Amino acid sequence: GDSVTQMEGPVTLSEEAFLTINCTYTATGYPSLFWYVQYPGEGLQLLLKATKADDKGSNKGFEATYRKETTSFHLEKGSVQVSDSAVYFCALIIGNTGKLIFGQGTTLQVKP
Amino acid sequence: DAGVIQSPRHEVTEMGQEVTLRCKPISGHDYLFWYRQTMMRGLELLIYFNNNVPIDDSGMPEDRFSAKMPNASFSTLKIQPSEPRDSAVYFCASSPGEHGDTQYFGPGTRLTVL
Repeated sequence: GDSVTQMEGPVTLSEEAFLTINCTYTATGYPSLFWYVQYPGEGLQLLLKATKADDKGSNKGFEATYRKETTSFHLEKGSVQVSDSAVYFCALIIGNTGKLIFGQGTTLQVKP
Repeated sequence: DAGVIQSPRHEVTEMGQEVTLRCKPISGHDYLFWYRQTMMRGLELLIYFNNNVPIDDSGMPEDRFSAKMPNASFSTLKIQPSEPRDSAVYFCASSPGEHGDTQYFGPGTRLTVL
């Protein structure tokens, strides 16, 4: 079935370090791909998305490129801040169902 | 817009009691989703509605769970009777349309069943 796999966390970085959170997917069709972020005690917020192969989603310094050949959608940021500490979820939607399938989430901790 | 509104934000109840969670989606959104988040199982889709009609309830864990959407601006998720293993954070989300559309999440209801 359709699924999303993320790298295990927690990821602990120093402020201004480079961030990569890996995400790969398995899908029978052509999904749209998403990164959501969850700050402590809050609901999920869309961070960025890409709807077709080779699209790059970007927001708040974060980027991810839809790579069909490697079925990946890795999240990157060049310089993280303490305020980026949160849980990051990779997700996909297949077809017209509207059903989001989430990865298990990766906790990011950024230390000053 | 105020975003997706959920109530209550926290609920503590005893095993066997009925629990009702409430959600008001963003006005104009046609889709409404109920999710459950636990440490063990992560985020799980329980059920979703399109234009107030339940489309897929395959994620509802068992008959103790039921969901309704009597109109476009209100939905409930009911657990009767509740059990300790139902303790989780329940999220409601809404979306304006179909494929590729962003889902907007509410702040969640943290349910504790003693």
